Amino acid sequence: EAGVAQSPRYKIIEKRQSVAFWCNPISGHATLYWYQQILGQGPKLLIQFQNNGVVDDSQLPKDRFSAERLKGVDSTLKIQPAKLEDSAVYLCASSFPLAGPFSEQFFGPGTRLTVL
Amino acid sequence: AQRVTQPEKLLSVFKGAPVELKCNYSYSGSPELFWYVQYSRQRLQLLLRHISRESIKGFTADLNKGETSFHLKKPFAQEEDSAMYYCALSPDNYGQNFVFGPGTRLSVLP
Repeated sequence: EAGVAQSPRYKIIEKRQSVAFWCNPISGHATLYWYQQILGQGPKLLIQFQNNGVVDDSQLPKDRFSAERLKGVDSTLKIQPAKLEDSAVYLCASSFPLAGPFSEQFFGPGTRLTVL
Repeated sequence: AQRVTQPEKLLSVFKGAPVELKCNYSYSGSPELFWYVQYSRQRLQLLLRHISRESIKGFTADLNKGETSFHLKKPFAQEEDSAMYYCALSPDNYGQNFVFGPGTRLSVLP
């Protein structure tokens, strides 16, 4: 089966600019996650969707980050305006929750964001 | 709040030697624990999870609730095991609030 798709793969912007990332999960996967991975650290969960509803966004910096998952399929993560500390790899993952609450997460290749 | 620590940033072993990657967690309840791995130029992927009691690629992990640890072990390391390993925790029964550790880079030398 096709894996999780993300675009773009790389993005370089200047601080205070806006940027958006796109994720297409594996077909049929109702749960979608966005992670931020800063160099040298493990992935940090930003937001988790179940279909098109948010189930956890406790670590999302809501003053500048926003995410949506219209129609419960694709998702977009936006940063507006970007700061230097937002430089990171943004990972999208999806899982099939009917496999159980601890079902495997399948990860995309990530988007590497550099903020200058 | 729940937390996962991996004390070693880098672990180097020789091929054929035993390997143990340490993982400790802090959480007052009964979490579910995972190991994810990222090989060079590949995506992050699940290696194993405690609930499945499985052995994948010769790796096993035992949950020690008394020591709050979930160390990953393999009796004989192979060069293809070289990768970044992340321990992760899910604190509740709904798969929410997933937390990753900082990761350990395993280098298996020939």
